[in-house]
Amino acid sequence: GENVEQHPSTLSVQEGDSAVIKCTYSDSASNYFPWYKQELGKGPQLIIDIRSNVGEKKDQRIAVTLNKTAKHFSLHITETQPEDSAVYFCAAISGGGGADGLTFGKGTHLIIQP
Amino acid sequence: DTGVSQDPRHKITKRGQNVTFRCDPISEHNRLYWYRQTLGQGPEFLTYFQNEAQLEKSRLLSDRFSAERPKGSFSTLEIQRTEQGDSAMYLCASSQALRGAYNEQFFGPGTRLTVL
Repeated sequence: GENVEQHPSTLSVQEGDSAVIKCTYSDSASNYFPWYKQELGKGPQLIIDIRSNVGEKKDQRIAVTLNKTAKHFSLHITETQPEDSAVYFCAAISGGGGADGLTFGKGTHLIIQP
Repeated sequence: DTGVSQDPRHKITKRGQNVTFRCDPISEHNRLYWYRQTLGQGPEFLTYFQNEAQLEKSRLLSDRFSAERPKGSFSTLEIQRTEQGDSAMYLCASSQALRGAYNEQFFGPGTRLTVL
């Protein structure tokens, strides 16, 4: 089955700086990679996703890049703000038609220092 | 509110008791997923339904766990003879299946289970 590794486990950045979180996956058949943000006591919230036929996707201050050859993908947050503080999870899905469940990384606790 | 809802939000039970959780997906979504999340970890997939059919189960889903989605709308997850190791957050997600496409999964707030 799929295995997703996520680094770092904790990331502290100054407000206004950029943050980068990296993930690797093991199953070359995986072709959908979402990122979730989870705040304390809440369920994960989908913030951006990328499919394997695309190398990069951007949505305002958030971007995701995918390198299929190296089997890794990254989340980039620019101009970080205090409300960006949360735990971020990467995930991957393999199989056809979105039938399988998501395999998640262990999460990155992002801390935005004022 | 048109998001995924779960009930109850918190459940405390004694070891050996049975518990049941409910999930109401986003109304037009035909796929419903259950995940379990323990402290400091990412969610782990348990099972999923397309309409009322349960199409996949993880090997994490022991025979003490059973899930149903009788009318293809809400779903229930029952844990029988609970053990302390069952303490976790149980998350439900839903998506709208589109042929040949991967579909965004939207999560509910979760049910936090504590087994004493």
